[in-house]
Amino acid sequence: NAGVTQTPKFQVLKTGQSMTLQCAQDMNHNSMYWYRQDPGMGLRLIYYSASEGTTDKGEVPNGYNVSRLNKREFSLRLESAAPSQTSVYFCASSDGRMGGYTFGSGTRLTVV
Amino acid sequence: GQQLNQSPQSMFIQEGEDVSMNCTSSSIFNTWLWYKQDPGEGPVLLIALYKAGELTSNGRLTAQFGITRKDSFLNISASIPSDVGIYFCAGPAGYALNFGKGTSLLVTP
Repeated sequence: NAGVTQTPKFQVLKTGQSMTLQCAQDMNHNSMYWYRQDPGMGLRLIYYSASEGTTDKGEVPNGYNVSRLNKREFSLRLESAAPSQTSVYFCASSDGRMGGYTFGSGTRLTVV
Repeated sequence: GQQLNQSPQSMFIQEGEDVSMNCTSSSIFNTWLWYKQDPGEGPVLLIALYKAGELTSNGRLTAQFGITRKDSFLNISASIPSDVGIYFCAGPAGYALNFGKGTSLLVTP
């Protein structure tokens, strides 16, 4: 049982380049989330999808777009990467309970 | 969203010592969660608290949901080297979770 799988694990981008971070879960969860983690800042919500077909902005959505491709997959896109987007990105899914979150192992992104 | 303030920001202790950390909120919560993040991994749930005054244990870990519903505490007894990591408190914020900034724990043998 893989849980939440994120790809890639590491990525280096040049300023202005675009890329998509992939996330897939195999737990049949309805809700999925993207967080970013910066030193001393904890985890901040970028976007979430409460159910298939819906997406909503979180605390720090600027510079990002998301797609809930199907129930399993929730991708995060950076259209024009900026150094301020250097961070560790975590995808999570939930069965609807506050204690029911499962996190992926993260994507470490550096924008130079 | 609600502000979650965790303290201390970091702790450096010797193996065998007990550890206490806490989290306070600017508003009332009906759920408190404690997560641990190992280096290079995503957070993993340690303990979930659903009722004011609730005290819950998970092995050497004990967490309490404060009576005011604006705070929570996590204690680790007899720390061991594998307790190293970042500990986060979290509470509900609409459809998602709001996290504190974390307490970084280092344990020396």
